[in-house]
Amino acid sequence: AQKVTQAQTEISVVEKEDVTLDCVYETRDTTYYLFWYKQPPSGELVFLIRRNSFDEQNEISGRYSWNFQKSTSSFNFTITASQVVDSAVYFCALSGGGNNRKLIWGLGTSLAVNP
Amino acid sequence: KAGVTQTPRYLIKTRGQQVTLSCSPISGHRSVSWYQQTPGQGLQFLFEYFSETQRNKGNFPGRFSGRQFSNSRSEMNVSTLELGDSALYLCASSLRNPRTDTQYFGPGTRLTVL
Repeated sequence: AQKVTQAQTEISVVEKEDVTLDCVYETRDTTYYLFWYKQPPSGELVFLIRRNSFDEQNEISGRYSWNFQKSTSSFNFTITASQVVDSAVYFCALSGGGNNRKLIWGLGTSLAVNP
Repeated sequence: KAGVTQTPRYLIKTRGQQVTLSCSPISGHRSVSWYQQTPGQGLQFLFEYFSETQRNKGNFPGRFSGRQFSNSRSEMNVSTLELGDSALYLCASSLRNPRTDTQYFGPGTRLTVL
């Protein structure tokens, strides 16, 4: 069975601090896809990144970076120099490589960035 | 390019009623998936439609149903509403290309059942 675990329920930081959100996944598929989404208070899920299981390159996009490690089944997300606008709930999700497109979600990490 | 749109944004119903939610995908996207989000259960997959056919279904009772039209727009129906159906219902669309597939979400419909 597939499973995504986000152990951190809530994180509170002061602006300009770096923060890392953890995501651990379980799957028996050899091909799978990992995602991070952001959900601000408005409720809409905003896509941040997609990573394929066969591509372990880490990625940096502005203040955001992602560390994908198959050996530990982890796909962690780091925000550098956090800003108040980063306050949101962040979800990690997993989908399999077959015909089933459903996303399996973690319970989310609520990030509060305080001025 | 316009994003995924969902109507209505808010709904209040009473137990026993039925409700229909609508979703218009991003232009060119032919796959539409529906998810339910509640504080207790988090985000759960309801079903996916592609080319007017249900391709996958989550673990929800038969009161939850959907359909997709030839223009890829999708509707979701919940019959005999229960208090526990109160949730944010999110629709997502994608190209359904196996190697690049990403689901893009609409703003959701917040359903309250009284």
